[in-house]
Amino acid sequence: NAGVTQTPKFQVLKTGQSMTLQCAQDMNHNSMYWYRQDPGMGLRLIYYSASEGTTDKGEVPNGYNVSRLNKREFSLRLESAAPSQTSVYFCASSEGDTYNEQFFGPGTRLTVL
Amino acid sequence: AQKVTQAQTEISVVEKEDVTLDCVYETRDTTYYLFWYKQPPSGELVFLIRRNSFDEQNEISGRYSWNFQKSTSSFNFTITASQVVDSAVYFCALPVLGVSNYQLIWGAGTKLIIKP
Repeated sequence: NAGVTQTPKFQVLKTGQSMTLQCAQDMNHNSMYWYRQDPGMGLRLIYYSASEGTTDKGEVPNGYNVSRLNKREFSLRLESAAPSQTSVYFCASSEGDTYNEQFFGPGTRLTVL
Repeated sequence: AQKVTQAQTEISVVEKEDVTLDCVYETRDTTYYLFWYKQPPSGELVFLIRRNSFDEQNEISGRYSWNFQKSTSSFNFTITASQVVDSAVYFCALPVLGVSNYQLIWGAGTKLIIKP
């Protein structure tokens, strides 16, 4: 089992460009999450999906959109990237809700110039 | 306010020393869970433990132990006889009610450096 996979691993964008971060899990989990990690800070939740077809905003949703394409895949889109979105992005999944152990992908390091 | 505070930004010890990482939390909930995760230099986050507020017994797993004290709102993590492989950033996290569901809020993390 691959667990949680993310693509790409690294990305450099110019201000105003758009891109989509892809995430997939093969553990048949219902819940999936997108976090960002900035230096000196813990993870902050951007969006999460409790099940296929549902998405909810987290702590820092502005500037992002998500799609829960099916049970396996949960994508994060930056429509118009800004330097403040330079960060490391992690996707995670869990069998149930937030009270369950979350399994994380390897992360995507995004730089916006 | 609901939050998690890890006041120790960085700790450096020599291998085989014992080390304790502090986590202090604030929550409005009467029942809740707390988590510890580890982020080694490779970058991936790894789950270590989940405890619920009903159980204040210390948890021990090999060289790792956790001390949960509701009276002081703390959930501290101790590594006994530390090893170089324990070098990582350690995070404490707490589920809090968001807009429509519970979501994890994370402490800023403690970077642990174990020197050989």
